[in-house]
Amino acid sequence: DGGITQSPKYLFRKEGQNVTLSCEQNLNHDAMYWYRQDPGQGLRLIYYSQIVNDFQKGDIAEGYSVSREKKESFPLTVTSAQKNPTAFYLCASRQGTSGGPASYNEQFFGPGTRLTVL
Amino acid sequence: AQKVTQAQTEISVVEKEDVTLDCVYETRDTTYYLFWYKQPPSGELVFLIRRNSFDEQNEISGRYSWNFQKSTSSFNFTITASQVVDSAVYFCALSLVRQGAQKLVFGQGTRLTINP
Repeated sequence: DGGITQSPKYLFRKEGQNVTLSCEQNLNHDAMYWYRQDPGQGLRLIYYSQIVNDFQKGDIAEGYSVSREKKESFPLTVTSAQKNPTAFYLCASRQGTSGGPASYNEQFFGPGTRLTVL
Repeated sequence: AQKVTQAQTEISVVEKEDVTLDCVYETRDTTYYLFWYKQPPSGELVFLIRRNSFDEQNEISGRYSWNFQKSTSSFNFTITASQVVDSAVYFCALSLVRQGAQKLVFGQGTRLTINP
């Protein structure tokens, strides 16, 4: 079955610790995204990557870092610099459009990781 | 500014009632796409529909229908004869292209509860 997996489902972190959230996709999609969702709010973009070894900051990148060494993997590290990291984190991927409008294809989402800082 | 507003934070109806979720967007782009996603309690967002800025035809898929009106910058979603399984958070999103990449701007979401 093709899809996106995120692990772990629940993650607890002590203040001052860095943690890494995993995101893997086997859809052969070019683009991958990380979003943060807070209660009662929409999704906000943290980082995105259109191709391997390249990524861009989204709207709320401060305190986060990413890497894209493989097409299928886009891990997110929540650093101690993130002031309020408790949230639900969603990873998504999207098929490239080979010259078509980049805005066309829908994003596919993983099941999410709920991070709680103790 | 690019913005999506879902003014209804929560809606609660009894099963079999019809319900409409509102979505109003703002953009200066002439080419854009609009999406609706469903987020069930499991948390994963599920794609429902895409509509491009040049196509104002309404869409119907089973009990779901969508009304896109460019004149009012609205893309409303109606569920006919609602069912308990429709209970979820629904997000409207605006798709833009920036530096060659797609960026989605999400509304705040509407939590829909269908009571038996």
